[in-house]
Amino acid sequence: GAVVSQHPSWVICKSGTSVKIECRSLDFQATTMFWYRQFPKQSLMLMATSNEGSKATYEQGVEKDKFLINHASLTLSTLTVTSAHPEDSSFYICSGRASYNEQFFGPGTRLTVL
Amino acid sequence: GDSVTQMEGPVTLSEEAFLTINCTYTATGYPSLFWYVQYPGEGLQLLLKATKADDKGSNKGFEATYRKETTSFHLEKGSVQVSDSAVYFCALTSDDAGGTSYGKLTFGQGTILTVHP
Repeated sequence: GAVVSQHPSWVICKSGTSVKIECRSLDFQATTMFWYRQFPKQSLMLMATSNEGSKATYEQGVEKDKFLINHASLTLSTLTVTSAHPEDSSFYICSGRASYNEQFFGPGTRLTVL
Repeated sequence: GDSVTQMEGPVTLSEEAFLTINCTYTATGYPSLFWYVQYPGEGLQLLLKATKADDKGSNKGFEATYRKETTSFHLEKGSVQVSDSAVYFCALTSDDAGGTSYGKLTFGQGTILTVHP
């Protein structure tokens, strides 16, 4: 299957700083990318859907000014957690949808905010 | 709204044992149902899917049948291997009648499976 990578795999930052997470589709063009958040022992919660070249659509309850999503190309989407706080510590997972509609997931990024 | 409930884990089995992981759902309309597997250090991979009632999805010895009357999609395997140790997620999407997983996915909480030799 197609491959999606995320970088970094693990990041630790101080409270108040911003963190950028990259999601790349390595061998296919992802017209749509999804960002999920996963708390320990809980399911993945969809945060937002982004289509290449347009603004992301955020799920109810997700602060769009705090979680900035950019999908500038068919192979790259970024999630920036602005002014991060300890409650933002979580596991963030992205997925990309190929032109043939299969959805492929990245390995995730663990964010720890001190 | 849509929701998925999986049996709580972790599940620990000996090699060649029979596996069942229960999954029930609540959704409007006629959702498509999926099982994803996540091996350590890797992203979620689609294991199998079913798009309509009574469909059976199967892959790598795993099976699940879409039961509309009981709103269930239980995962089964007759003889597990150590290499099946992973986290298993049940999921659904109700905004894509085509059965592909491009639409918004609603996930269960995941079940950790550990298989011992």
